[in-house]
Amino acid sequence: AQKITQTQPGMFVQEKEAVTLDCTYDTSDQSYGLFWYKQPSSGEMIFLIYQGSYDEQNATEGRYSLNFQKARKSANLVISASQLGDSAMYFCAMREAGGTSYGKLTFGQGTILTVHP
Amino acid sequence: GAVVSQHPSRVICKSGTSVKIECRSLDFQATTMFWYRQFPKQSLMLMATSNEGSKATYEQGVEKDKFLINHASLTLSTLTVTSAHPEDSSFYICSVPTAGGLSYEQYFGPGTRLTVT
Repeated sequence: AQKITQTQPGMFVQEKEAVTLDCTYDTSDQSYGLFWYKQPSSGEMIFLIYQGSYDEQNATEGRYSLNFQKARKSANLVISASQLGDSAMYFCAMREAGGTSYGKLTFGQGTILTVHP
Repeated sequence: GAVVSQHPSRVICKSGTSVKIECRSLDFQATTMFWYRQFPKQSLMLMATSNEGSKATYEQGVEKDKFLINHASLTLSTLTVTSAHPEDSSFYICSVPTAGGLSYEQYFGPGTRLTVT
């Protein structure tokens, strides 16, 4: 069974600084995908970044980068140059490769990020 | 533009009544859709997998007779909360995975906020 753990219920960061949101996972699958989503107060789920289990390089998307440490089963999200609009809830999620669970996402508990001016 | 729509975005109903929530895939056909439930400041929990042309697959602990899912076409899945009670008040989100492998493309609907009085 999969499990995603986000140990930081809340994080605070000063505007323009970088922040790291932690995520660890547990799976017996060799092939899997890791995702980070942002959920503002409106409730929409905004895709930020994806890392495949076989990807050798850490994923990057603009100000977002994923620090993927496969041996440690961690997939931390790094947000550089934080902006006030980054204040939201952030979810780490894992997707199974196939079979009857194809496409299903398992989410972590979430981290509420607050960016201070 | 939106790839997945949900209707309604908000609904208030009285205890004991039934509520139907629609999830539409606007840009592509979807043989599978997922329904999640999210309580305030908590994670998204998968309720069920909606399968076009066959019965939905429910997660452990989700009452299939209470949460009726119908995947009537390749673009529409509906979730009906029957005999709703205040504890069913929640944010319901559908998602549509893309086909094939571990592509990161999974599209979420904007969510439906249900309040049962």
